[in-house]
Amino acid sequence: GAVVSQHPSWVICKSGTSVKIECRSLDFQATTMFWYRQFPKQSLMLMATSNEGSKATYEQGVEKDKFLINHASLTLSTLTVTSAHPEDSSFYICSAPLAGNEQYFGPGTRLTVT
Amino acid sequence: DQQVKQNSPSLSVQEGRISILNCDYTNSMFDYFLWYKKYPAEGPTFLISISSIKDKNEDGRFTVFLNKSAKHLSLHIVPSQPGDSAVYFCAASVPSGNTPLVFGKGTRLSVIA
Repeated sequence: GAVVSQHPSWVICKSGTSVKIECRSLDFQATTMFWYRQFPKQSLMLMATSNEGSKATYEQGVEKDKFLINHASLTLSTLTVTSAHPEDSSFYICSAPLAGNEQYFGPGTRLTVT
Repeated sequence: DQQVKQNSPSLSVQEGRISILNCDYTNSMFDYFLWYKKYPAEGPTFLISISSIKDKNEDGRFTVFLNKSAKHLSLHIVPSQPGDSAVYFCAASVPSGNTPLVFGKGTRLSVIA
């Protein structure tokens, strides 16, 4: 089946630094990718829609200047958490639709900000 | 406003018995529904889906039932196995392509040997 990878799978950073998370579709092209965030025991909350070659669309309440999204190619979207704070600690997951409504999820990135 | 609801945060079932996970939705525009299984610190894995034109879809031990009039769907796992223990998310989407999924909060299934 389709595979979506994320890198890194786990990252610890100091408060105030920036962290980049990569999401790659390994065997298919994705003009659209989605970034979700999951807090412990919570649902997956959509943060933004990443569109290849154009600006990302952010959900209400998500700061676009803090969560920078770049979708420079049909197989790669990156999420950069800028000036990270402890409250940004979360599990970040990307997904890419392949055909119709099915989406394939990456394995997730656990971010811990100290 | 939660459009997809999974009202049971957890469920325990004996091995070999049937597991029934429920999901309700409020948005009548949803026309495609999916179930994902998720282990801790991993991304969700697609399990099974159903289009609104159907009321049942079966794949091995997994069957999803859709009741559009009640805006309710359920996932049946039979027989349940210990390896099925995970969090199950119900998700829904609207007709347009490349749209994000709306997830429920998940139900943690524990299958007891």
